[in-house]
Amino acid sequence: AQKVTQAQTEISVVEKEDVTLDCVYETRDTTYYLFWYKQPPSGELVFLIRRNSFDEQNEISGRYSWNFQKSTSSFNFTITASQVVDSAVYFCALSVAGAGSYQLTFGKGTKLSVIP
Amino acid sequence: DTEVTQTPKHLVMGMTNKKSLKCEQHMGHRAMYWYKQKAKKPPELMFVYSYEKLSINESVPSRFSPECPNSSLLNLHLHALQPEDSALYLCASSQGKQLLISAFFGQGTRLTVV
Repeated sequence: AQKVTQAQTEISVVEKEDVTLDCVYETRDTTYYLFWYKQPPSGELVFLIRRNSFDEQNEISGRYSWNFQKSTSSFNFTITASQVVDSAVYFCALSVAGAGSYQLTFGKGTKLSVIP
Repeated sequence: DTEVTQTPKHLVMGMTNKKSLKCEQHMGHRAMYWYKQKAKKPPELMFVYSYEKLSINESVPSRFSPECPNSSLLNLHLHALQPEDSALYLCASSQGKQLLISAFFGQGTRLTVV
């Protein structure tokens, strides 16, 4: 069975601070995909990034960066110089190959509040 | 166009009503999904359609009835719902169901059952 743990339920930071959202996953499959989604109050789940299990290269996209470490089964997400518009719930998710590959296993989400 | 459009955005219905939620995508995706999301919880998968055929029903009560009339449209018919069915209903699509390489979600329909 697959599992995604986001230990941080809620985080508050002051604007311009850096913040890291943690994600730890469990799976016995060797082929899998990891995702981060942003859910603002409007409700839409906004796709941020996908990473496959064979690519441990870290990625940077503007103020966002992701650190994938298979050794610790972690896929952490850092926002640099946070802004009020970053306030949202962030979900980490896992999809595996084989049976059940059609669905995303979500973590419980981390609510990020960026205070002006 | 990476958009999944859901209508209506908000819906209030009584327990004896019949209503439908609609979802549309024009990305050529052949897998479409319905998720249910309760407040402060992650989304939970309800149904998966692959090539317009229902491939997964995650033990959803029969008062929820999905329909996929063509590759771009997905409906969720609602009948005799209960107040505990109040939630955000999210539609998603992906190129195929294998590996779920990327999934795009709509804005959701906030459903309130009174």
